[in-house]
Amino acid sequence: GENVEQHPSTLSVQEGDSAVIKCTYSDSASNYFPWYKQELGKRPQLIIDIRSNVGEKKDQRIAVTLNKTAKHFSLHITETQPEDSAVYFCAASTGANSKLTFGKGITLSVRP
Amino acid sequence: NAGVMQNPRHLVRRRGQEARLRCSPMKGHSHVYWYRQLPEEGLKFMVYLQKENIIDESGMPKERFSAEFPKEGPSILRIQQVVRGDSAAYFCASSRRTGMGETQYFGPGTRLLVL
Repeated sequence: GENVEQHPSTLSVQEGDSAVIKCTYSDSASNYFPWYKQELGKRPQLIIDIRSNVGEKKDQRIAVTLNKTAKHFSLHITETQPEDSAVYFCAASTGANSKLTFGKGITLSVRP
Repeated sequence: NAGVMQNPRHLVRRRGQEARLRCSPMKGHSHVYWYRQLPEEGLKFMVYLQKENIIDESGMPKERFSAEFPKEGPSILRIQQVVRGDSAAYFCASSRRTGMGETQYFGPGTRLLVL
């Protein structure tokens, strides 16, 4: 089955700096890659996703890139703000039944 | 448009009791997924259901756990004879349909504590 790994497990950045979170996946059949943000005690919320027919997608300060050959995808957050502090999960799906395989999450801390 | 609803939000059970977790998908969504999140861990897929059908239960323990999504009413995840290891947050998610890139929207979760 699919295996998704996330690196690093924690990341601390200064407010205004950029943050990059990387994930790798194992199943070459995976074709959908969402990113979720989870604040303490809250539900995971989709922040951006990418499908395998594109290599990059951007939404304001957030962007995601996908390298299907290397089987990795990354989340880029620019001009970080304290409210970006949360746990971020990457996930992958083959689309067959849409079940998501998640990475273990990364705790992002943005220092004011 | 109400989001995915789950109840109860918190549930305390003693070992050996039964836990029933309910999930109402977003309006217009007919696909429900259940995930379990242990402390400091990611979400692990348990089961995928459509109305009156279990499509994929590959992530669900073979014993004590069952799930249903009846024609009317919410989806229910049932855990019989709970043990302390069942303590976790249980999230359900719903989508309009299945297939490539269909967004899953998560509910607020039920936090189960087994004493």
